[in-house]
Amino acid sequence: AQTVTQSQPEMSVQEAETVTLSCTYDTSENNYYLFWYKQPPSRQMILVIRQEAYKQQNATENRFSVNFQKAAKSFSLKISDSQLGDTAMYFCAFMKHSGGSNYKLTFGKGTLLTVNP
Amino acid sequence: SQTIHQWPATLVQPVGSPLSLECTVEGTSNPNLYWYRQAAGRGLQLLFYSVGIGQISSEVPQNLSASRPQDRQFILSSKKLLLSDSGFYLCAWSTSPFSYEQYFGPGTRLTVT
Repeated sequence: AQTVTQSQPEMSVQEAETVTLSCTYDTSENNYYLFWYKQPPSRQMILVIRQEAYKQQNATENRFSVNFQKAAKSFSLKISDSQLGDTAMYFCAFMKHSGGSNYKLTFGKGTLLTVNP
Repeated sequence: SQTIHQWPATLVQPVGSPLSLECTVEGTSNPNLYWYRQAAGRGLQLLFYSVGIGQISSEVPQNLSASRPQDRQFILSSKKLLLSDSGFYLCAWSTSPFSYEQYFGPGTRLTVT
């Protein structure tokens, strides 16, 4: 079974600064996907960024980027130029590429990020 | 465009009462459907998933059941609620047969008293 660990229950950052959220995972699989989801106070889960394990290049989406270290099973999220709207719970998630027709997400417990003005 | 709906948005139910939460998806056909529960201070836990009408797979043994009576309708039920069933329930969908991306609904907050 896969596990996802987020060791930082809470973090804070000043507006316009950069913050990095940590995530480690445990799996025996070689082919999988990793995700960061954002859950703002509205509770709507929003996909922030994804990474395919077979890709060496780190994924980037505007101000969001990841540092994917496959050997270390580490997948951190960097948010640059933090904005007040980035305040949310952030979840790291793992999905095994099973080759079947359904794909199950395994989530970490989340990191509550607060962006201060 | 595709949209996902959940209702009710909030629900307060006494222990021992039945439960029915509904999820519907618009704008797509034959989606994979998922029910997750988010307990306080925890991440999301997959409860059920479905790859087609009448096809339900359970991930965690519990007091809940799921059904898919129509292609784009997914229902979470219980005959008798427990206090431990309280939480935030999220429905999600993904395209079939292959999709790594799941799209989540707005969720239902259930409080069992």
